[in-house]
Amino acid sequence: AQSVSQHNHHVILSEAASLELGCNYSYGGTVNLFWYVQYPGQHLQLLLKYFSGDPLVKGIKGFEAEFIKSKFSFNLRKPSVQWSDTAEYFCAVNEEYDKIIFGKGTRLHILP
Amino acid sequence: DVKVTQSSRYLVKRTGEKVFLECVQDMDHENMFWYRQDPGLGLRLIYFSYDVKMKEKGDIPEGYSVSREKKERFSLILESASTNQTSMYLCASSVNSYEQYFGPGTRLTVT
Repeated sequence: AQSVSQHNHHVILSEAASLELGCNYSYGGTVNLFWYVQYPGQHLQLLLKYFSGDPLVKGIKGFEAEFIKSKFSFNLRKPSVQWSDTAEYFCAVNEEYDKIIFGKGTRLHILP
Repeated sequence: DVKVTQSSRYLVKRTGEKVFLECVQDMDHENMFWYRQDPGLGLRLIYFSYDVKMKEKGDIPEGYSVSREKKERFSLILESASTNQTSMYLCASSVNSYEQYFGPGTRLTVT
């Protein structure tokens, strides 16, 4: 079965620091990859997605992620974080025509 | 914008009660999903549905059932609530299984 691993459960950074959240998945076939974000008290929402094409995808609020097929990875990055990026981030993956599998989440806390 | 609404934000029930959680989406999506979210465990899929009157078990269906009589509505039922079902319950919908839109969640406490 598919699985998704997020390397860090809790990350604390200062404002303006660079961010990279790790994500690895287990399936070797064609996959679609996502990062979702849940800001405090808000709905879970899509941050960015990869279906095909350019492996470097850009999402909302300056986030980007790189799909590296050989490493089964889809790491999330942001060059300079802001206090408003404090949230929980979930990596997710699905095969074609299948349900989405979510990682366990990474809580990101940005110090002002 | 896609809107997914859930009937309650907070709910407190007693052990053994039958609990209904309702979810409604307004975008005519075929697919609907119920998850529970627990700290350190992420989102775990309970049940999903690809069409009216159709349901499929997710990863943790034990103790739950679902109903989908209309396309826009997907209900989660706890037949006999137990304390280990205290959790945040999230409903989602999608037009395909690629991108899901989530509701605000229902925080259920079973005492």
